[in-house]
Amino acid sequence: QKEVEQDPGPLSVPEGAIVSLNCTYSNSAFQYFMWYRQYSRKGPELLMYTYSSGNKEDGRFTAQVDKSSKYISLFIRDSQPSDSATYLCAMASGTYKYIFGTGTRLKVLA
Amino acid sequence: EAGVAQSPRYKIIEKRQSVAFWCNPISGHATLYWYQQILGQGPKLLIQFQNNGVVDDSQLPKDRFSAERLKGVDSTLKIQPAKLEDSAVYLCASSLVSIYNEQFFGPGTRLTVL
Repeated sequence: QKEVEQDPGPLSVPEGAIVSLNCTYSNSAFQYFMWYRQYSRKGPELLMYTYSSGNKEDGRFTAQVDKSSKYISLFIRDSQPSDSATYLCAMASGTYKYIFGTGTRLKVLA
Repeated sequence: EAGVAQSPRYKIIEKRQSVAFWCNPISGHATLYWYQQILGQGPKLLIQFQNNGVVDDSQLPKDRFSAERLKGVDSTLKIQPAKLEDSAVYLCASSLVSIYNEQFFGPGTRLTVL
């Protein structure tokens, strides 16, 4: 079993839709949970950063962490064509272990 | 603020040849990371430096890969000899102190091994 599982997609949605991206993980030691966005031929850039369980909102983006289920989500409201990218979840523990998911390709259609 | 710089952006070599990548992190960032991203996969950490010391190189194939961080600033990653399966994008990232700080990524070097 992989430490982090992420549906690779691709996911195509119409402009304005609510998008839900998800990751599951197996290592209960993970404490820090991140979502990165990666445009084609670019490096990833940090979107959201959460510690432990709960929700965090930033504009159109909401990150959710459920440590009891080992499940994290990123919601994008009012999706825009500029949101078309690959979204990577990432997790870290106190022992410097930093793991990325495989990424979900999202396409928002105008 | 200048971002993380990497060079070259693209490299094509034949198997068994050697290749080197260079990274200049954001000024003042103590931690530097090298990742390998194979097409369709997420980045995989190869090595992490804290200043000029190695923190984690558990996933670095040490028989062919080597990395150094000169004076705690620039870093080079070398592959010798290259194999077909080394074809990937090599990403460099830096952060202020630790993994709990935001990592800033460079544009990557796309390596093709023929």
